[in-house]
Amino acid sequence: GQNIDQPTEMTATEGAIVQINCTYQTSGFNGLFWYQQHAGEAPTFLSYNVLDGLEEKGRFSSFLSRSKGYSYLLLKELQMKDSASYLCAVMDSNYQLIWGAGTKLIIKP
Amino acid sequence: GAVVSQHPSRVICKSGTSVKIECRSLDFQATTMFWYRQFPKKSLMLMATSNEGSKATYEQGVEKDKFLINHASLTLSTLTVTSAHPEDSSFYICSARMIAGVNEQYFGPGTRLTVT
Repeated sequence: GQNIDQPTEMTATEGAIVQINCTYQTSGFNGLFWYQQHAGEAPTFLSYNVLDGLEEKGRFSSFLSRSKGYSYLLLKELQMKDSASYLCAVMDSNYQLIWGAGTKLIIKP
Repeated sequence: GAVVSQHPSRVICKSGTSVKIECRSLDFQATTMFWYRQFPKKSLMLMATSNEGSKATYEQGVEKDKFLINHASLTLSTLTVTSAHPEDSSFYICSARMIAGVNEQYFGPGTRLTVT
């Protein structure tokens, strides 16, 4: 079956760095997405990786290893507003999005 | 738990026809369902918020007469793309929010619509 695994919850300190991991097993691969979702709001797009390597976008970076079925989202210089859920999703060979359950990130002062 | 299904998973239709997409919460009741559209390599775009028993709230720029949304029960919402055109080809995703839960949304697998 198809499966996306990511930690349920993580806690980090303001100003620090946190890495949210995502492992996947899917039927084919057409890219991996990371979304941020604040409570009560629609998810917002953070990154898209289809090739191996690191994609950097400001304070956020996303890494992909297709051979390992692994990705991580790296958040630097954490701010209180980064407290949110982070969703990992993989597009399979049928262009279906397979979603992870999300990682709730709690930022403490 | 908290499974959301969508049907069909992919559909191809001719220009001018209408297509209905169903979104069901399988093991929970959802007061609110959301419909998103996703373009390749782009973020989800919220189209409308659907509340059971009331009219959907459409986002700015989304034509309510073209994208008909019905949320007839606590487990079913439908999106009908009327008089579809090739530019309506996209990936449509629904999500559902539990009654008793807080703000988590559970996403369906999506429906790929291709209009020829």
